[in-house]
Amino acid sequence: QVQLVQSGAEVKKPGASVKVSCKASGYTFTSYGISWVRQAPGQGLEWMGWISAYNGNTNYAQKLQGRVTMTTDTSTSTAYMELRSLRSDDTAVYYCARDEGTAMVKDYWGQGTLVTVSS
Amino acid sequence: SSELTQDPAVSVALGQTVRITCQGDSLRSYYASWYQQKPGQAPVLVIYGKNNRPSGIPDRFSGSSSGNTASLTITGAQAEDEADYYCNSRDSSGNLFGGGTKLTVL
Repeated sequence: QVQLVQSGAEVKKPGASVKVSCKASGYTFTSYGISWVRQAPGQGLEWMGWISAYNGNTNYAQKLQGRVTMTTDTSTSTAYMELRSLRSDDTAVYYCARDEGTAMVKDYWGQGTLVTVSS
Repeated sequence: SSELTQDPAVSVALGQTVRITCQGDSLRSYYASWYQQKPGQAPVLVIYGKNNRPSGIPDRFSGSSSGNTASLTITGAQAEDEADYYCNSRDSSGNLFGGGTKLTVL
């Protein structure tokens, strides 16, 4: 069965960086993309960006351009999302999701990783 | 910039039918997908494409689209359908989520 298992919760100080991992299993990793989606406490879902696991192409949300980097390691079927220059409003649960097809339907999701930014 | 607009909250009596809508210019070009999220859980895909349900999603969930509006309909709402619902679509620059609709089943 398809599974996306994310790394554990993180606590970071403002200005620091965080790198969240998402290990995929149960499907051919390079046949799909991965989107990263975050959710601030009590708020809605926010799309952060997408990476093709096939060729590494990326597309980032404009508001995060310059602060976010998404990568994959096909040898371990793992996707990574690094966010730099963290601010308090980056405190959120971060999800990875498998993107199916050109419509980017998010058919499987990771369990979420809580990132807390606090001094 | 593009956006998807949803009503913040909707309520429905147990067993009745409810429609949750999502409006946005991107929906003229792309189908919406719909996600159900319960407190403390990751979102779950319930409808995608023209009107497709993933395996395991009850057939009381259906989707439709017209012009710039996509709709999620729950026919015969159950207590377990109480949740937040988000629409999502591609747009010219990437991907968009609506602000979410909190569904209360009375």
